Amino acid sequence: EVQLLESGGDLVQPGGSLRLSCAASGFTFSSSAMSWVRQAPGKGLEWVSSISNSGGTTYYADSVKGRFTISRVNSKSTLYLQMHSLRAEDTALYYCAKDQVAAAGPPFDYWGQGTLVTVSS
Amino acid sequence: SYELTQPPSVSVSPGQTASITCSGDKLGDKYACWYQQKPGQSPVLVIYQDNKRPSGIPERFSGSNSGNTATLTISGTQAMDEADYYCQAWDSNTVIFGGGTKLTVL
Repeated sequence: EVQLLESGGDLVQPGGSLRLSCAASGFTFSSSAMSWVRQAPGKGLEWVSSISNSGGTTYYADSVKGRFTISRVNSKSTLYLQMHSLRAEDTALYYCAKDQVAAAGPPFDYWGQGTLVTVSS
Repeated sequence: SYELTQPPSVSVSPGQTASITCSGDKLGDKYACWYQQKPGQSPVLVIYQDNKRPSGIPERFSGSNSGNTATLTISGTQAMDEADYYCQAWDSNTVIFGGGTKLTVL
């Protein structure tokens, strides 16, 4: 059974930093691209970033480019999202999602339960 | 930047057919997929590559994509299908989601 378990969400002040983690199990992690998707309270889904199975290719939404960094450690089956210069508009539930194929891109066939990031003073 | 437009809401009676559209420039030239999200739950992939169903998704869910519009069709809609539905596409190394459609079964 595929499982994606996010962690690291917290209350952080504007301008602060946070690192999210996603522990994966139930599939060959190194064979799948992975992504982060967020959802602000009461709002729709917003793609944040994707990374290829090897980690060699990454993609970012314009809204986070230069502030967020996606990475992965295949030996640990873990995906990360390092977030800097956080803003109030980054407040959201952050989902980890498994891409269906090795190259980054939709569809996302499995999703975690999400970890909540709140940016507020 | 590329945009996908969905109607905010669609209503359907139980047992009837619901159609949810997703519009984007030359969307038919790309693959579209659809996610279902129920309150308090994570999204679930229901259609990918325009018209393919993942295992475990009921046959009443189908999809099409042509021209500028992708359509998710739910035949014989059931109360359990009431949810938010999001379309998704890939353009210029960017993942795009539609704004979402709230499907009400009444």
